[in-house]
Amino acid sequence: QVQLQESGPGLVKPSQTLSLTCTVSGGSISSGDYYWSWIRQHPGKGLEWIGYIYYSGSAYYNPSLKSRVTISVDTSKNQFSLKLSSVTAADTAVYYCARLRSPSSNFDYWGQGTLVTVSS
Amino acid sequence: QSALTQPPSASGSPGQSVTISCTGTSSDVGGYNYVSWYQQYPGKAPKLMIYEVNKRPSGVPDRFSGSKSGNTASLTVSGLQAEDEADYYCSSYAVNNKYVVFGGGTKLTVL
Repeated sequence: QVQLQESGPGLVKPSQTLSLTCTVSGGSISSGDYYWSWIRQHPGKGLEWIGYIYYSGSAYYNPSLKSRVTISVDTSKNQFSLKLSSVTAADTAVYYCARLRSPSSNFDYWGQGTLVTVSS
Repeated sequence: QSALTQPPSASGSPGQSVTISCTGTSSDVGGYNYVSWYQQYPGKAPKLMIYEVNKRPSGVPDRFSGSKSGNTASLTVSGLQAEDEADYYCSSYAVNNKYVVFGGGTKLTVL
């Protein structure tokens, strides 16, 4: 059974960089059938796709966040990471990591989510 | 890249059927059979309910079904049960742009 677990600071100061890591267990991140994704959900709001990465390092980002987002992968640790720079209060959200199945492009496994608050 | 359009709310009585729509464009929903639906309870992660328009993952009751016509996809929940009360989100993949887009979500209430 594949499991994903987010980790990282729950509180980030404005203008700083938000950094989260997703650890994958029960399966290899190097499987060619999947992309590894970040999704966020503002309090009381809907889901917002942030981006995804292939094990080779190819990444695709939401155009509205592209200038501030970097997703990277560490196959040796079976982890992938999110960095979001120059954060503001508008980046306060629950951040989920998820597995995106290719080519049907559905998120079949999700982490439990982690709340990141941007505040001084 | 615009969010897919879903009604903010839907409701039905136990045993009834309810259908939730999800409207996109020819670049996403209408262009490919890459529409999926997710169920989310408060405080929990979303759960995949339907993928590739009308396929159910193992363990999802057959009360849940999906369809698509043109740029609009639909999720139908038949034989409503109290446990179906949740938020539902559609999602689509835009192959040309390699984007993923979600709908705004629909809160399903079982009366």
